[in-house]
Amino acid sequence: GAGVSQSPRYKVAKRGQDVALRCDPISGHVSLFWYQQALGQGPEFLTYFQNEAQLDKSGLPSDRFFAERPEGSVSTLKIQRTQQEDSAVYLCASSLVPRGPGYNEQFFGPGTRLTVL
Amino acid sequence: AQSVTQPDIHITVSEGASLELRCNYSYGATPYLFWYVQSPGQGLQLLLKYFSGDTLVQGIKGFEAEFKRSQSSFNLRKPSVHWSDAAEYFCAVAAGSTGFQKLVFGTGTRLLVSP
Repeated sequence: GAGVSQSPRYKVAKRGQDVALRCDPISGHVSLFWYQQALGQGPEFLTYFQNEAQLDKSGLPSDRFFAERPEGSVSTLKIQRTQQEDSAVYLCASSLVPRGPGYNEQFFGPGTRLTVL
Repeated sequence: AQSVTQPDIHITVSEGASLELRCNYSYGATPYLFWYVQSPGQGLQLLLKYFSGDTLVQGIKGFEAEFKRSQSSFNLRKPSVHWSDAAEYFCAVAAGSTGFQKLVFGTGTRLLVSP
């Protein structure tokens, strides 16, 4: 089936604008992750959903960042009053339901490249 | 806290030569380790993973990696590099409690392949 999709692929925003980034996970994947990848860096964890529940948002850099997954499938990452330091690639990943010890592989989308002018 | 170090920012290898990319991790328990590749404008593609068992793991595109607990290392190797291997390579460790494990990535190594 289809992989993880993200839209838009590219977004240019003026400083102070609000943006919304969308992630469509693989069908049936319960877990959903958002990562931020700054230029020249590795991805960094932002937040995690299990179905519609946001179980960890420890990586969100400020209260301007907000993520939701109201029906347990599509997720939106919203950034309010964007700043230049928010410029990065935002990656979404999904995985199957966690079952006890072990690891469920995360499948990544192509990312959204956000540029804040 | 869990962390991953990739000491080489850039590596240049001649086409056909062998490759080794270094990765060191810090993690208290037995780690789940990964290597991902990212081509320009593309998402992350999983090359290989180590969970347990045989310390030498095979991946896609002819890559392999060896887990060495004593050295806290998980180096990526390929015997003969192709021009299409030029990309950014990330080592990662899965960190967290049962059922929810985020990935902690290194800063990446950019591989350049010379003719």
